[in-house]
Amino acid sequence: AQSVTQLDSHVSVSEGTPVLLRCNYSSSYSPSLFWYVQHPNKGLQLLLKYTSAATLVKGINGFEAEFKKSETSFHLTKPSAHMSDAAEYFCVVSPSGGYNKLIFGAGTRLAVHP
Amino acid sequence: DARVTQTPRHKVTEMGQEVTMRCQPILGHNTVFWYRQTMMQGLELLAYFRNRAPLDDSGMPKDRFSAEMPDATLATLKIQPSEPRDSAVYFCASGTGQSSYNEQFFGPGTRLTVL
Repeated sequence: AQSVTQLDSHVSVSEGTPVLLRCNYSSSYSPSLFWYVQHPNKGLQLLLKYTSAATLVKGINGFEAEFKKSETSFHLTKPSAHMSDAAEYFCVVSPSGGYNKLIFGAGTRLAVHP
Repeated sequence: DARVTQTPRHKVTEMGQEVTMRCQPILGHNTVFWYRQTMMQGLELLAYFRNRAPLDDSGMPKDRFSAEMPDATLATLKIQPSEPRDSAVYFCASGTGQSSYNEQFFGPGTRLTVL
């Protein structure tokens, strides 16, 4: 069975400092992995996705994630946090052959302080 | 700019009433998903459709929830009768369903409050 574990339920950073949101996955096959962001009272928006083409994936708003098969990780990073990055972030795995059904992590709430 | 639309955005109702939520997927998308989000349970998949046929509705309480796609441009989620524990935000998402590489596109959600 495929699953994702987001290692931190809350992360707090200061504006201008790096962001690291951690995600580990469990998969029998080479997975498709995504990061989605949800701003308060909004729907979910795709940040980036990994589909085996390149292990370092760049997304919107300066975010990127690195797929590490040996560590079964797909951590999300950003060099410098902005106040507008405050949101909830979901790491997601898509089982192959699953008609793009998604399996969501529990989410990490990112707070950015001035 | 193609988007998934959902109506209503907010619904307040009393226990026992029927609630119908509607979703218009992105034109050309053949998979549609219904999710429920609560503080306690997070995001839960309720049901999903491919080419209007239900593929999996195991996440839905069968006695009170029903999901349908009357046509390719409309998906509905009904709760009858509604209960306070149904209070949540309900999201619809659509995708092309061709492979696991394809992301889902989410609507803005319907915030349901059952009193």
